[in-house]
Amino acid sequence: GQNIDQPTEMTATEGAIVQINCTYQTSGFNGLFWYQQHAGEAPTFLSYNVLDGLEEKGRFSSFLSRSKGYSYLLLKELQMKDSASYLCAVRDPTGANNLFFGTGTRLTVIP
Amino acid sequence: DADVTQTPRNRITKTGKRIMLECSQTKGHDRMYWYRQDPGLGLRLIYYSFDVKDINKGEISDGYSVSRQAQAKFSLSLESAIPNQTALYFCATSGTRAGELFFGEGSRLTVL
Repeated sequence: GQNIDQPTEMTATEGAIVQINCTYQTSGFNGLFWYQQHAGEAPTFLSYNVLDGLEEKGRFSSFLSRSKGYSYLLLKELQMKDSASYLCAVRDPTGANNLFFGTGTRLTVIP
Repeated sequence: DADVTQTPRNRITKTGKRIMLECSQTKGHDRMYWYRQDPGLGLRLIYYSFDVKDINKGEISDGYSVSRQAQAKFSLSLESAIPNQTALYFCATSGTRAGELFFGEGSRLTVL
């Protein structure tokens, strides 16, 4: 089975840096994804990690440690529009390659 | 226009009614999915299809059925709706990188 844990809620200040953690326990591993979901909207793809290390994409970075079953999403220079839920998902290692999602972390950015 | 379109966007129905949610896409993707999202439970996979002749059950398929009418169309049916099927339903597609999903805008279903 799959077990994915993320904090339920976080609050951070505009202009600051925030780190959203995700731990997972899976029967195998074939990639980890982060999605952003604004309230009332569809999730949108942010990042993908399959090897250990940091992937940087503008203000957003995602880190993976496969040995620790751990990932984080780092958001720099926070903006009010970054207030959203951030969903961690692991890819099913079987042939289907489907995603299993965590329950998401709701980030609130305050002035 | 959205690449992945869901209809209806909102629906209120009664217990026992048959409901169909429709999804169409213009991305040319072979893989299509139906998820439901509930507060505190996250996104859970209902059914998925890798081409017109391939339909597979996901984590929570009981009470649901699907039809892949064409590469671009994937519909979800609730044969006899019940209140605990009240949720936000998302259709999604994926292309060559499995796991990079493109979601529709969602269909909010309320079963009274």
